[in-house]
Amino acid sequence: DQQVKQNSPSLSVQEGRISILNCDYTNSMFDYFLWYKKYPAEGPTFLISISSIKDKNEDGRFTVFLNKSAKHLSLHIVPSQPGDSAVYFCAARSGNQFYFGTGTSLTVIP
Amino acid sequence: EAQVTQNPRYLITVTGKKLTVTCSQNMNHEYMSWYRQDPGLGLRQIYYSMNVEVTDKGDVPEGYKVSRKEKRNFPLILESPSPNQTSLYFCASRGTGSHWGNQPQHFGDGTRLSIL
Repeated sequence: DQQVKQNSPSLSVQEGRISILNCDYTNSMFDYFLWYKKYPAEGPTFLISISSIKDKNEDGRFTVFLNKSAKHLSLHIVPSQPGDSAVYFCAARSGNQFYFGTGTSLTVIP
Repeated sequence: EAQVTQNPRYLITVTGKKLTVTCSQNMNHEYMSWYRQDPGLGLRQIYYSMNVEVTDKGDVPEGYKVSRKEKRNFPLILESPSPNQTSLYFCASRGTGSHWGNQPQHFGDGTRLSIL
């Protein structure tokens, strides 16, 4: 059973606008959440993370929001750039195990 | 350059022929892990290792073996591969312990296995 879900397989956004990628989870024991970005023929690369004791973390154009009561995580990219076009995975940690979502393919249109 | 290296990158083989995918990291990380990526299922953890000689099952360990004899290496072994193990495999590592803080995993570039 998928404990981390990304319900939007794809998203298209105009360059300069905001991209919002969403992730839902079911396990209340998750204590650390991460977003990874993946280009074709490469491994995922780390983007940004957030601890379960926080509700927001910012790093440049990327902000992650955590709503624990709703068990919902989102990644905001502002402004979106063509180079942001990739597949984005959210992930969550419980103990020593990591659980990943199915990914959202983001296309930023110039 | 800090990296996780997997070999081979691509492999086509037949059912039942034992194979090993190697993984090596040069960051002195304690934690190493294997994942498989399948369409519609995302990345699923197969096995992980907290340190030398310490390995544990992830979500989908059936049909796989691992070993951790040295800190830098974490090979994935398919003793008798079957077509349902056709997938894209990723190895990852991360530092653990208080001196590392909350570290993300670093991933290799993947190994595409096709089992006929």
